Amino acid sequence: SQQGEEDPQALSIQEGENATMNCSYKTSINNLQWYRQNSGRGLVHLILIRSNEREKHSGRLRVTLDTSKKSSSLLITASRAADTASYFCARDSGNTPLVFGKGTRLSVIA
Amino acid sequence: DAGVIQSPRHEVTEMGQEVTLRCKPISGHDYLFWYRQTMMRGLELLIYFNNNVPIDDSGMPEDRFSAKMPNASFSTLKIQPSEPRDSAVYFCASSLGLAGDTQYFGPGTRLTVL
Repeated sequence: SQQGEEDPQALSIQEGENATMNCSYKTSINNLQWYRQNSGRGLVHLILIRSNEREKHSGRLRVTLDTSKKSSSLLITASRAADTASYFCARDSGNTPLVFGKGTRLSVIA
Repeated sequence: DAGVIQSPRHEVTEMGQEVTLRCKPISGHDYLFWYRQTMMRGLELLIYFNNNVPIDDSGMPEDRFSAKMPNASFSTLKIQPSEPRDSAVYFCASSLGLAGDTQYFGPGTRLTVL
């Protein structure tokens, strides 16, 4: 499959804990993005990391990229109930549209 | 800007009927994408346009599906005739560029075919 694969499929944590989601892919990439989807809504862009970058931060979000292992991770620190959503990675390989994974369903319990 | 606008938000129809989904992209965006999301298959790219021209429709599942973009501010996805297996959430998204650019998604149309 050309889709990225998120791991785990579902994650349940307590408020205040950190949440880590992983994404693996099979072909080379130019850019990798993470999106969030609240129930019943469209996807919302969170962060983009380029193939020559190893780590990026945005607020409570930290994204890493390991091109040698063809994997990326999204860390949400000090999680809140409002972080409950599905999280998707999406990659492009140059002049190609994004390929989305199947997502990780995160539940943050207050 | 109001973001990507889709209509209707919900559509319930009977098998065999024609269904038309509508999308207004963000002004100035050159790319428009149609996706289908189901629990089983996840988010699938159906077709995308660049400057109103269809570039890749290889994701369109069957000839029953067609999409048009008559101008930069409007696109339609039509299913004729509809079947129960077409039930899904259909998203429209737009972006400035193709690679390395953020895609902005609409709220989706939840289609139920009885």
